[in-house]
Amino acid sequence: TQLLEQSPQFLSIQEGENLTVYCNSSSVFSSLQWYRQEPGEGPVLLVTVVTGGEVKKLKRLTFQFGDARKDSSLHITAAQPGDTGLYLCAGGRGAQKLVFGQGTRLTINP
Amino acid sequence: GAGVSQSPSNKVTEKGKDVELRCDPISGHTALYWYRQSLGQGLEFLIYFQGNSAPDKSGLPSDRFSAERTGGSVSTLTIQRTQQEDSAVYLCASRLPTGLNEKLFFGSGTQLSVL
Repeated sequence: TQLLEQSPQFLSIQEGENLTVYCNSSSVFSSLQWYRQEPGEGPVLLVTVVTGGEVKKLKRLTFQFGDARKDSSLHITAAQPGDTGLYLCAGGRGAQKLVFGQGTRLTINP
Repeated sequence: GAGVSQSPSNKVTEKGKDVELRCDPISGHTALYWYRQSLGQGLEFLIYFQGNSAPDKSGLPSDRFSAERTGGSVSTLTIQRTQQEDSAVYLCASRLPTGLNEKLFFGSGTQLSVL
């Protein structure tokens, strides 16, 4: 059973376009993190959201945590080739382990 | 070192052999995780160590998999009698003990290939 479902799993768009990646669950999480992973490397944290309804911005990236703390989205404005990578959401609950979604592989074409 | 270190970076083994994968976490990080990542996929949780507490082994896929953490620092993941389906990247991560909201610091992983 996948606790966190990400969609789409694959996305290929042209440079300059906007996109949104979703991370959904039927479970409530105390926090949700987004990571980006490049080939041959481990994932690197982009952001942590902890409050329902919270919105965080990181340059052209906007992250939102759902009001019920069951889902999250990542929106990228004016995508650049450097945004290419595997985007992973991860949810934490109390003292339990951090669980990851299956990832969204994003390709930005010049 | 400043980051999480994993060794070896690549391991090729024959089916049926045992392998040991090593993780050196960041100094002072009491929480340590092992994850498995199949080609281009998300991370599958394997095991979680937190300080002196009993590890959460709920993600280990079979009794061929085991892990230990000595002295609260270095961890070793052992896979016995390897199978071809064990081929994957094994990632180790550590974090500060202050809570789950703290970010995970990942190593670059060990690419395991079972022939």
